[in-house]
Amino acid sequence: GENVEQHPSTLSVQEGDSAVIKCTYSDSASNYFPWYKQELGKRPQLIIDIRSNVGEKKDQRIAVTLNKTAKHFSLHITETQPEDSAVYFCASPKAWAGSYQLTFGKGTKLSVIP
Amino acid sequence: EAGVAQSPRYKIIEKRQSVAFWCNPISGHATLYWYQQILGQGPKLLIQFQNNGVVDDSQLPKDRFSAERLKGVDSTLKIQPAKLEDSAVYLCASSLRAGVEAFFGQGTRLTVV
Repeated sequence: GENVEQHPSTLSVQEGDSAVIKCTYSDSASNYFPWYKQELGKRPQLIIDIRSNVGEKKDQRIAVTLNKTAKHFSLHITETQPEDSAVYFCASPKAWAGSYQLTFGKGTKLSVIP
Repeated sequence: EAGVAQSPRYKIIEKRQSVAFWCNPISGHATLYWYQQILGQGPKLLIQFQNNGVVDDSQLPKDRFSAERLKGVDSTLKIQPAKLEDSAVYLCASSLRAGVEAFFGQGTRLTVV
């Protein structure tokens, strides 16, 4: 099955509201959980990441929470703005052949309505 | 710090033709990834290199795709012959080591007609 499952696939919020995107992973050895933002026609760019030794990390309006027991991590965006509209991807390393491969979720298209 | 460089940015070819993409990772990054991103989907890993060795190519369609990373720096990805379903953006990414932050290039948008 999928190493990383991401929900929802689309999300529309009013400007100023909060948005939450959730990912679940299967490899219990995963220890690094990044979130990428991809604007239309551009490359994915890292916006926040968390390591398995902490449960939450914040950077201004963006936060990521990690629940290792349940194997899920979430992206929280508060006070959303139109420029937050983009596709967001979670990723998780999957142990493979003595190394790790970074596999991505299918993405969440966030639309912030002014 | 220079980012990941890719070329060309765009390529249009007819089916059954061949095409090659080039990637120059961030200096000092041991791990290099090639991803295929079909419109509306997440990046799908095609192949992963650690220095000049292949770590994982399980999702690379080896009958038509090939990739190499000579001297553990630059990498090329080739498709021969191309099919219509190969139309996608091909993203190269690099990281210091496997499983940590990956930095992406701008990608090559391939259209097969």
